[in-house]
Amino acid sequence: GEDVEQSLFLSVREGDSSVINCTYTDSSSTYLYWYKQEPGAGLQLLTYIFSNMDMKQDQRLTVLLNKKDKHLSLRIADTQTGDSAIYFCAESIRNRDDKIIFGKGTRLHILP
Amino acid sequence: GAGVSQSPSNKVTEKGKDVELRCDPISGHTALYWYRQSLGQGLEFLIYFQGNSAPDKSGLPSDRFSAERTGGSVSTLTIQRTQQEDSAVYLCASSLAGTGTGELFFGEGSRLTVL
Repeated sequence: GEDVEQSLFLSVREGDSSVINCTYTDSSSTYLYWYKQEPGAGLQLLTYIFSNMDMKQDQRLTVLLNKKDKHLSLRIADTQTGDSAIYFCAESIRNRDDKIIFGKGTRLHILP
Repeated sequence: GAGVSQSPSNKVTEKGKDVELRCDPISGHTALYWYRQSLGQGLEFLIYFQGNSAPDKSGLPSDRFSAERTGGSVSTLTIQRTQQEDSAVYLCASSLAGTGTGELFFGEGSRLTVL
């Protein structure tokens, strides 16, 4: 079946690293994504990783993929107040013609 | 247009009425998705289109929900005999499916409130 799971809340102190975790079930996933939804705004793609990669780094963001365990994580270094948002993990299922399934989203709260 | 456009942005209706939500995707995007976002429920997949056909309708919550897409462009999501549990933000997204990363571009959503 197709399912994406992630914890609903995460609180992190400003300046610390945030790590948001996600698990997925479909082994045919081709791309895995992290989308960000800021308060009162639509979802926007934050970063993505192709399924044959283990890691991707983009400035303060590091994505780690463990394909064997079907585990994806997003690390945000030096977390800032502007990082406060809901982060959605998503997978693209290519043998289902690019159907994209989202998790429920992790709300990241930044403590002063 | 430059982005995905949805209308209406806000709709308040009475229980039992029918509503139609419209999505105008980015020009040239072949794939179009409908999701529902409710408090505490995250982003729920409803249906997606490849061109005018819908390979997967499995997410539609009941037979009161239907969607169509014509001309490979505009899509409408129709909810018949609305119920209070239908209250949510309905999000539309489009993408160039089958090429590149399949990034979804989202509209601002249509907030539906059923009284």
